[in-house]
Order: sequence, then structure tokens, then C-alpha cells
Amino acid sequence: KQEVTQIPAALSVPEGENLVLNCSFTDSAIYNLQWFRQDPGKGLTSLLLIQSSQREQTSGRLNASLDKSSGRSTLYIAASQPGDSATYLCAPRGSGGSNYKLTFGKGTLLTVNP
Amino acid sequence: EAGVAQSPRYKIIEKRQSVAFWCNPISGHATLYWYQQILGQGPKLLIQFQNNGVVDDSQLPKDRFSAERLKGVDSTLKIQPAKLEDSAVYLCASSPPQGGYNEQFFGPGTRLTVL
Repeated sequence: KQEVTQIPAALSVPEGENLVLNCSFTDSAIYNLQWFRQDPGKGLTSLLLIQSSQREQTSGRLNASLDKSSGRSTLYIAASQPGDSATYLCAPRGSGGSNYKLTFGKGTLLTVNP
Repeated sequence: EAGVAQSPRYKIIEKRQSVAFWCNPISGHATLYWYQQILGQGPKLLIQFQNNGVVDDSQLPKDRFSAERLKGVDSTLKIQPAKLEDSAVYLCASSPPQGGYNEQFFGPGTRLTVL
């Protein structure tokens, strides 16, 4: 059974700082991994999707890396802004059979202070 | 492109009552998912549909939860009777026709409170 851990559980930083959110998963047999953000009272917004064959994916100030063999992914946010304040969730997808679904971590609550 | 639509956005009921949630996925998306997100946790998959067929309902409490997607488009999730521990946000998501391995797009969710 896939288990996903996100560290830290909460993070508070001043505006402009670069930061890294960590995600680890126990089963490295994944098809891809998706990073989401969730604003209070809202649904999930997809940020980046990394295929298992990729090492990283970039979108604007966001960069996600994947080390499948060690069961780790990181989300790097450059020059953080107050609007980045949200909960960030990672979700690896199993590679098939009975384990193809997304498994979510509990998330990292990010607060960027002006 | 319109996103995933869900209604109602909020619902408060007493335990043992029934409740139903509705989801309309992004147009053309063949795969539809229902998730339960308890406060402080990540979402947990309840059921996955491919068109109008069930792909995975292994984590759906079938004694009280049911879901259907009769015409392969919109879907309804029902709880009958509700328990206190069903208080959560119920999220609907959809994926394009290429199958369940693609990016998932989520709706705003329905926040259920059971008193």
C-alpha cells in the first residue's frame, strides 16, 4: 500500500524567499506524480505533473523534481509571494494493476508573509 | 473551458439523514472520480468511473454510500444514512478520454457537516 509523507507539515516564510517542499512515497512503482495546491474552502488546482520517465517539470516560478528510485519529489517555489499561501499536496499515481490510483499526502500548509 | 461543477457547495444534516451530491465533469472527460477529504487529511478516492462503468470502488463504504453515472456524463454520490464521521469535503474530479493516467481536474467540492 502506497504511503505518502510531506515535510514540513507547515511553513511560514517572508515574501521573496525561495523554498522547497518535500514529498516522499513508499512504493517507487509509480506512473507519474502530480502536485496540487488547495486554497481554504476550495478544490484542488493542478500545478505540475511529472511522468515517471522525467526528472523535473517547470511552470513559471515552480519547479518539481522526481527521484523515483528513492521515492522522493520536491516542489521548489522561487521568489515566493503572499498569493502562494495555500496547502500544497503531492500525489503519486500507481503504475497499474490494483494500484493505479492517486495517493495523497496530508499536505504542507504554506504561509508567505508580506 | 468550463471546469468541474459540483452542487451543493455546503450541506448540513443530522445523523441518519440522507444526502446527495451532484457533479458535472469537464466536457468530453471520460473518467470521473469522487474523493472524500477529511479535515487535515489528503483526499481519499471513493469511486472511479470510466464512462458509465465503475473501475474502482474498493474504498467506498457500500453499506451507506452509493454512486451512479448513468449516461456517462454527470454523476451523483449518495449517503444513506449519514454518520458523524462522514463530515468531510466531497471532491469530484475528471480526466480526459486518454484514460485514468492523465492529469486530474478537480471541482470546488461539497462541504458536508453531519450533526
